[in-house]
Amino acid sequence: AQSVTQLDSQVPVFEEAPVELRCNYSSSVSVYLFWYVQYPNQGLQLLLKYLSGSTLVKGINGFEAEFNKSQTSFHLRKPSVHISDTAEYFCAVSAANAGGTSYGKLTFGQGTILTVHP
Amino acid sequence: DSGVTQTPKHLITATGQRVTLRCSPRSGDLSVYWYQQSLDQGLQFLIHYYNGEERAKGNILERFSAQQFPDLHSELNLSSLELGDSALYFCASSVVILGQGADTQYFGPGTRLTVL
Repeated sequence: AQSVTQLDSQVPVFEEAPVELRCNYSSSVSVYLFWYVQYPNQGLQLLLKYLSGSTLVKGINGFEAEFNKSQTSFHLRKPSVHISDTAEYFCAVSAANAGGTSYGKLTFGQGTILTVHP
Repeated sequence: DSGVTQTPKHLITATGQRVTLRCSPRSGDLSVYWYQQSLDQGLQFLIHYYNGEERAKGNILERFSAQQFPDLHSELNLSSLELGDSALYFCASSVVILGQGADTQYFGPGTRLTVL
């Protein structure tokens, strides 16, 4: 089984400042990692994903994340945030190459609300 | 727009009632997943269908059931509704190829269920 911990429930930041949203995971098998964003009253939109290869992953809207296997982390970063980045961000994992009863399901963290102030 | 559609957007009903939520996956996606988002439980996986067959179950109550039809749309049926079933229900679809691991899941806009 997998679990995800997002270390900050809320992150306030000023516009144009850098931001890091932290995500740690636990799993006994190899995992795929995802960050999703949820704007108010909307569904989840994929920001970026790590399946294999380079541990630094670039996504949409200027976000990037780094997979650190030894620290079981997948922190999300943006060098300069905008007001429009205000949203809730979810880190998620799924078991890689899994079959059986756990195939493909996403396990989510509790979410981090990013609020960008002018 | 993810290409995944869900109807209805909002549903208000009373305790004890039964409702059906509908999901149409992206064109070509064989897998449909259902998730529940609530304030106390967060986002939780409910059930996964692949090409019409149930593949995995998560924390889905016995009062809830789902199916995927030959045209690949899926329905989530919730019965004997309780106040605690009030939540946002999402479906997601993906191009999962069995044996090759999970691929990206694309989420619909969700159905907000309110049980009064």
